Amino acid sequence: QVQLVESGGGVVQPGRSLRLSCAASGFTFSSYGMHWVRQAPGKGLEWVALIWYDGSDKYYADSVKGRFTLSRDNSKYTLYLQMNSLRAEDTAVYYCARDSGYENYYYYYALDVWGQGTTVTVSS
Amino acid sequence: EMVLTQSPGTLSLSPGERATLSCRASQSVTSSYLAWYQQKPGQAPRLLIYGASRRATGIPDRFSGSGSGTDFTLTISRLEPEDFAVYFCQQYGTSWTFGQGTKVEIK
Repeated sequence: QVQLVESGGGVVQPGRSLRLSCAASGFTFSSYGMHWVRQAPGKGLEWVALIWYDGSDKYYADSVKGRFTLSRDNSKYTLYLQMNSLRAEDTAVYYCARDSGYENYYYYYALDVWGQGTTVTVSS
Repeated sequence: EMVLTQSPGTLSLSPGERATLSCRASQSVTSSYLAWYQQKPGQAPRLLIYGASRRATGIPDRFSGSGSGTDFTLTISRLEPEDFAVYFCQQYGTSWTFGQGTKVEIK
């Protein structure tokens, strides 16, 4: 079945780095854009970043631009999020999610498959 | 910057009742770019509705979406026990934005 599994979360000190991974299965990974979305404790959802299906284009939220970098390895069905210069406000559950892509030539900009998330805690 | 405001913050209803959730945008939204998600405690969000009114795969027909412009609505016609959760709307304009959520709780 279609599945996304995140890993790499943990406790890290402010200013340090962490790399998250998202392993995909059950669908043709190289055909889909992929997102990261985060959720701070007790809060709502915040979109973080998107990478196109082939890695040729990437988009970031202003809150992470210049600190976070998206990449993907389509041969390994894996998405990555390199997080540098981490701050306390980056503390959250990080979800990877699949972009819904095209349906009958329409693009809906929805996120149709989600992983279970990995927790990142930035604290000294 | 686009802001999505959901109301009410909390909706207290009984199983079998109808739930009506609102999502209001600070600017006009292309209907095709409006989605709704359900999130239960400790779980990831699940896509319910996309394109403002299209049900995602496997979503029961008691869930329906409507609206256009700046006002969108998610309706659950008859609440089942498994429907008590938090619901988020999401739009795409220049980036993806989520509303703050509406909690549907058991009365």
